Amino acid sequence: GAVVSQHPSWVICKSGTSVKIECRSLDFQATTMFWYRQFPKQSLMLMATSNEGSKATYEQGVEKDKFLINHASLTLSTLTVTSAHPEDSSFYICSARSGRSIYEQYFGPGTRLTVT
Amino acid sequence: AQSVAQPEDQVNVAEGNPLTVKCTYSVSGNPYLFWYVQYPNRGLQFLLKYITGDNLVKGSYGFEAEFNKSQTSFHLKKPSALVSDSALYFCAVRPLYSSASKIIFGSGTRLSIRP
Repeated sequence: GAVVSQHPSWVICKSGTSVKIECRSLDFQATTMFWYRQFPKQSLMLMATSNEGSKATYEQGVEKDKFLINHASLTLSTLTVTSAHPEDSSFYICSARSGRSIYEQYFGPGTRLTVT
Repeated sequence: AQSVAQPEDQVNVAEGNPLTVKCTYSVSGNPYLFWYVQYPNRGLQFLLKYITGDNLVKGSYGFEAEFNKSQTSFHLKKPSALVSDSALYFCAVRPLYSSASKIIFGSGTRLSIRP
């Protein structure tokens, strides 16, 4: 149980285009989802927290208009990188927390984004 | 400021030997503590957590961690390392009063087990 999937697992896009990454909780309802960014050989940086049906809460320094987060249902959250630039290339990881456990987050396998 | 420190970027251990990956934290109050493992190009996998109770916590794949409140540490241990344990390990803490369920991650320690 507690499986989180991400799609796509990797994506290459051209500079200036937008790309959408999906995060799904497959066997539980995710009341809260988190989006992280990980640079090579570095730790995870929390970008934003989203609760189903409400606006995401962004961490300081994260551009809301650039990284659009939608948490439309209890099993799906999306991250859209708008007008992507090469510096947005990174590994994006989502995690989900169910209402039953306040202690644990379940992580997706990550999405490798490369902007050319 | 709340933080998690993993003082070693890399730990090298021979297969069959015990291993320790260090973690210290600085948060207000009593935290929830976690260890995660990450394999190349993969997300994080949960290993174990400390919430309350016994200071020695046992987790997946034979790993365990000891919570030491006086030293504010939560070191990850395994009695006998396997080559397959080679991966990136993250210590994480969720402050007790974190209303947003935020988890603060350490910088990660790369564990390399040589045959």
